[in-house]
Amino acid sequence: AQSVSQHNHHVILSEAASLELGCNYSYGGTVNLFWYVQYPGQHLQLLLKYFSGDPLVKGIKGFEAEFIKSKFSFNLRKPSVQWSDTAEYFCAVNENAGNMLTFGGGTRLMVKP
Amino acid sequence: DVKVTQSSRYLVKRTGEKVFLECVQDMDHENMFWYRQDPGLGLRLIYFSYDVKMKEKGDIPEGYSVSREKKERFSLILESASTNQTSMYLCASSLRLYGYTFGSGTRLTVV
Repeated sequence: AQSVSQHNHHVILSEAASLELGCNYSYGGTVNLFWYVQYPGQHLQLLLKYFSGDPLVKGIKGFEAEFIKSKFSFNLRKPSVQWSDTAEYFCAVNENAGNMLTFGGGTRLMVKP
Repeated sequence: DVKVTQSSRYLVKRTGEKVFLECVQDMDHENMFWYRQDPGLGLRLIYFSYDVKMKEKGDIPEGYSVSREKKERFSLILESASTNQTSMYLCASSLRLYGYTFGSGTRLTVV
């Protein structure tokens, strides 16, 4: 079965610091990759997604992610975080064009003002 | 915008009660899902449905069942609630590969 690993459970950064959140998955076939964000008290929202093409994907609010097939990774990055980026971030994968997503355990980001 | 509505934001139930969590989506999506969200464990799939009256077990179906009598509605049923089912329950819907839309969640506490 597919598994998705997010190695950092909690990340604390100061404003303007750069962010990189790791995501690795286990499936060796064709995958679609997603990052979701959950702001405090709000529902999960899609940040960005990768289906095919350019492995560097740009999403909302200045986030981007890079798909590295050889490393089974889809890390999320932002050059300069803001206090409003405080949230929990989830990586998700679906395999073989199926309809089901497998989620990682989440990374809780706190940005200090 | 697709809306996924979960009927209750907070729920407190007693051990042994039968609990119904309701989810309605308004965009004619084929697929609907129930997850539970627990700290450090992320989202774990309980059940999903690809069509009316169709259901498939996810990763943690034990102690749960589902019902999808109409396309827009997907209900999660806890047959006999237990304290280890205290969690945040998230419903989602999707149209094939285009990502999920999530509801706001139901925080269930079983006492």
